[in-house]
Amino acid sequence: EVQLVESGGGLVQPGGSLRLSCAASGFTVSSNYMSWVRQAPGKGLEWVSVIYSGGSTYYADSVKGRFTISRDNSKNTLYLQMNSLRAEDTAVYYCARAGPGITGTHFDYWGQGTLVTVSS
Amino acid sequence: AIQMTQSPSSLSASVGDRVTITCRASQGIRNDLGWYQQKPGKAPKLLIYAASSLQSGVPSRFSGSGSGTDFTLTISSLQPEDFATYYCLQDYNYPQTFGQGTKVEIK
Repeated sequence: EVQLVESGGGLVQPGGSLRLSCAASGFTVSSNYMSWVRQAPGKGLEWVSVIYSGGSTYYADSVKGRFTISRDNSKNTLYLQMNSLRAEDTAVYYCARAGPGITGTHFDYWGQGTLVTVSS
Repeated sequence: AIQMTQSPSSLSASVGDRVTITCRASQGIRNDLGWYQQKPGKAPKLLIYAASSLQSGVPSRFSGSGSGTDFTLTISSLQPEDFATYYCLQDYNYPQTFGQGTKVEIK
């Protein structure tokens, strides 16, 4: 069974850093496109970043230069390193898998989400 | 970045109604669009990809259409479990962008 479990969220001060983790089971992270999507409280969804199976990465303009997506193949885990955090980064962060049998980059499995709150 | 504009932002409908939600892209995106359903406190769920392909396990009352800049999600007969917020997402290029969402409420 495919599962994604995020962790690492919490309260952090503006300018601080946080690393989110997404532990996967039932499939191999390195063989799939994996993304992070966030949702500010009471707001819509915002795509954040993707890492391809080949290792290429892409970011939303709002996080480029501050966030880094990566993975640890030995742990079958996806990460999001978030630096220089701002109040507007406050959101629930979801990791998601792009379905291997799906045309294009759409997400068939999602984690439960982890809340990041940036506040002093 | 490509802007995705959904309409309406919200709608009220009754069980059994036919519901249509539209999504317009700021530039042509071929058929590189998906639709997601999200219920409060839950992760989104993929309904449709490639504009009109039904994701495995999704009821056939959901359908998608369109190409280029204009897309539609249709629920042929609204069921109680369909009351939720719906989002479109373009995967034509990066950054991927979502529409602002359409909340479907009970009339």
